[in-house]
Order: sequence, then structure tokens, then C-alpha cells
Amino acid sequence: KQEVTQIPAALSVPEGENLVLNCSFTDSAIYNLQWFRQDPGKGLTSLLLIQSSQREQTSGRLNASLDKSSGRSTLYIAASQPGDSATYLCAVFGNTGKLIFGQGTTLQVKP
Amino acid sequence: DGGITQSPKYLFRKEGQNVTLSCEQNLNHDAMYWYRQDPGQGLRLIYYSQIVNDFQKGDIAEGYSVSREKKESFPLTVTSAQKNPTAFYLCASTDPGRNTGELFFGEGSRLTVL
Repeated sequence: KQEVTQIPAALSVPEGENLVLNCSFTDSAIYNLQWFRQDPGKGLTSLLLIQSSQREQTSGRLNASLDKSSGRSTLYIAASQPGDSATYLCAVFGNTGKLIFGQGTTLQVKP
Repeated sequence: DGGITQSPKYLFRKEGQNVTLSCEQNLNHDAMYWYRQDPGQGLRLIYYSQIVNDFQKGDIAEGYSVSREKKESFPLTVTSAQKNPTAFYLCASTDPGRNTGELFFGEGSRLTVL
């Protein structure tokens, strides 16, 4: 059974810092991995989608990497801003047809 | 604009009542999903549907029911058998045919049992 873990559960950094969020999964037979952002009381917004054949994806200040063999993904946020404060979730999509989520990392960027 | 619409945004229910949450999408996606989110926890899958007139139980289906009579609609009923229904419910859709699996979410419905 696929399990997804995110570490740390919470993170607080000063504005301007570069930071890394971690995601690990137990079953490497995945089709893709997605990173989402969730603001309090809101739905999820897709940030980056990495296909199983890809190593990384970039969007603006965000870069996500995927190492399928070791069951790991990282989300790198460059030059963090207070507006980046949110919960970040990773999820993997496999041959079950289901997207399995981690519990998320809540990020606070202090001005 | 294409997207997923969930309603109502907030819903209050008395114990013993059934309630139905609406989810409509105009993205022409085949697959739709219902997730439940509790404070401090990730999303847990309730039900999912890969195609019209077909759906499967997720990890926490007990006390819930769904239907998929139309491609664009996937309503979720929270029945009185659900012992702890107070939660944030999220609907999502994707197009497996494109083989990307990118999931799009609605804004969520918050259910509170009084």
C-alpha cells in the first residue's frame, strides 16, 4: 500500500531564505507526482506536476525534483516571500487510479 | 472559464440528517474524486469515479454514498451513518486519457454537525 510522508510538518523561515520541502513515498511504481498549495479554508492549487520519466520541473521560483528509485521528491522555493505562507502537499498517482496525499508541510515566511 | 464548482461552501447539519454536497465540472474530465480533510491531516479518499455510471470506494467510504449519472456531476451524500462527518470536503477531477494525471480541485465545502 502506497504511503506518502512529508517532513517537516511545519516550517518557519525569515523572508528571503531559500528552502526545501521533502516528500517520500513507499512504492516507486508511480505515474507522476504533484505538488499542491493550500491556503487556509481553500481548495488545492496545483503547483508542479512531474511525470515518472522526468527528473524535475520548474515554475518561477519553484523547482520540484523526483527520484523515483529512492522514493523521494523535493520542492525548492527560492527567495521566499510572506505570500508563500501556506500548506504544501505532495501526492503520487499510481496504477490504482488514486492520488495518495502526504499530510502536508505548513510554511510560514516571516517579513 | 473551465473549473470545478462545489456547493454549498458552508453547510450545517443536525445529527441524524443526510446531506448532499454538489460537485460540477466543465473541464470534460472523465475521472472525479471526493476527498475529506480533517485539521492537521492530509486528504483521505472517500469515493472516486473513472467514468459515468461507475464509481469505486476509496479508503474511508463508510457512511457516504455517491452517484455519477452525468460526466460533469459527482454529488456526495453524507449519511446519518457517518459517525464523525464534521470536516472539509474537496472534490477533484482529472483526465486519465491525457495520461498526465494532473488533478484539479474545487474550493471545498465545510460541513459542521450541530
